[in-house]
Amino acid sequence: DTEVTQTPKHLVMGMTNKKSLKCEQHMGHRAMYWYKQKAKKPPELMFVYSYEKLSINESVPSRFSPECPNSSLLNLHLHALQPEDSALYLCASSQFPDEQFFGPGTRLTVL
Amino acid sequence: LAKTTQPISMDSYEGQEVNITCSHNNIATNDYITWYQQFPSQGPRFIIQGYKTKVTNEVASLFIPADRKSSTLSLPRVSLSDTAVYYCLVGDGSNYQLIWGAGTKLIIKP
Repeated sequence: DTEVTQTPKHLVMGMTNKKSLKCEQHMGHRAMYWYKQKAKKPPELMFVYSYEKLSINESVPSRFSPECPNSSLLNLHLHALQPEDSALYLCASSQFPDEQFFGPGTRLTVL
Repeated sequence: LAKTTQPISMDSYEGQEVNITCSHNNIATNDYITWYQQFPSQGPRFIIQGYKTKVTNEVASLFIPADRKSSTLSLPRVSLSDTAVYYCLVGDGSNYQLIWGAGTKLIIKP
C-alpha cells in the first residue's frame, strides 16, 4: 500500500465550528506532515511529526491543533478558523524527508 | 536556507523534450535537489532527486553542474498529461524542512 489517504475531501465550516481532518498511511513511514496550500502557491509546511512526536511547528496559529495518535494516523483539529484559512490542506508521509508521499488533500472553505 | 528560483510558466508541444531550470545560488553542502509534480487539486508527486552530476529514472533526468548553483529537470517526449506544476526543492532533509520553489506551470500543447 503506497497511498496516503485523507478525509474528508471537502469541508465547509463556519468560524465557530470545530472540525478535524484525518490522514492515514500504511507504508511504515516515520514522518508525517501537514501542509497548507493556497491557490497558485507552493505548499507551506505547518507541522511535522517524527516517530509520533511533534518535531516542527512552523509558528502555526493555535486554532490549528495537530495530533498523531499512532504511527499511521495524523489528525488536524480545527477551531475558530478565519476565512483566510480556506485552502487545500495536504498530508504527507516519508521515510526520508526528501521523498514525501502526499495525499489528495482536503479542500477547506471557512465561511 | 537556500532559496530557489524557477520560471513561472513554460509551453511546449507533445513529443518534445522539456527542460526546466531551477536556480539555487545559496545551496548548502549537505543540500539535495528534489523535484515534484502537481496536478490541479491533487497532492504533489515525487519525480526525482539528486546531489550532483546527472540522475535518471524512468520518467525524468536531473542535471546538476559542478557548482550546484542550478539544476535542470529534463522531461523526454512530453505528452498532454505532463501538463502540471513542477516544483524545485532544496534541503538537507535532516530537519524535515524543505524550501519549495514557486513552481513552474508547464503547458503541453497538441
